[in-house]
Amino acid sequence: AQSVTQLGSHVSVSEGALVLLRCNYSSSVPPYLFWYVQYPNQGLQLLLKYTSAATLVKGINGFEAEFKKSETSFHLTKPSAHMSDAAEYFCAVSDWSSASKIIFGSGTRLSIRP
Amino acid sequence: DAGVTQSPTHLIKTRGQQVTLRCSPKSGHDTVSWYQQALGQGPQFIFQYYEEEERQRGNFPDRFSGHQFPNYSSELNVNALLLGDSALYLCASSLGGTVQQNIQYFGAGTRLSVL
Repeated sequence: AQSVTQLGSHVSVSEGALVLLRCNYSSSVPPYLFWYVQYPNQGLQLLLKYTSAATLVKGINGFEAEFKKSETSFHLTKPSAHMSDAAEYFCAVSDWSSASKIIFGSGTRLSIRP
Repeated sequence: DAGVTQSPTHLIKTRGQQVTLRCSPKSGHDTVSWYQQALGQGPQFIFQYYEEEERQRGNFPDRFSGHQFPNYSSELNVNALLLGDSALYLCASSLGGTVQQNIQYFGAGTRLSVL
């Protein structure tokens, strides 16, 4: 069965510091992986997705993630945090067999300190 | 271009009642998926509708049912509400195919409170 585990329910960084949000996946077949962001009182917005092309995936707002099969990880990074990055971030997985279904992690709340 | 719209934004019901939530997909999209997001949790897939039929279903009881209309809009119905059904219900739309090929666009959700 597919699943994702997000390490750390809350991450706090200073403005300008590196953002690192951790995600590990479990899948019996090659996975498709996603990162979504949810701002307060809004729906989810896709940051980036991995679909077996390049292992380093660049997304919107300066975020990127690297697929590491040996570590079953798909961590999200951003070199320099902005106050506007404060939000809830969800890692998610799908595969060809599920077609339509996305399985989400429990989320990581990112706070930015001035 | 309107994105995914959901109504109502908030809803309060009591145990045992029935509720209907509505979703209009993004213009040009023909597929609607529904998710339940409990407080402090990630969204959980309920089901997906395509061509007015349920294409795939998550691990939810039959109390949860849905419908898709010819204009691609969709409804989520929940019968015999339980306290545990209190959550944010999210609708996502996409253009056919698979989730890997097409991005799912999410609405802002309907916050359901069951008392």
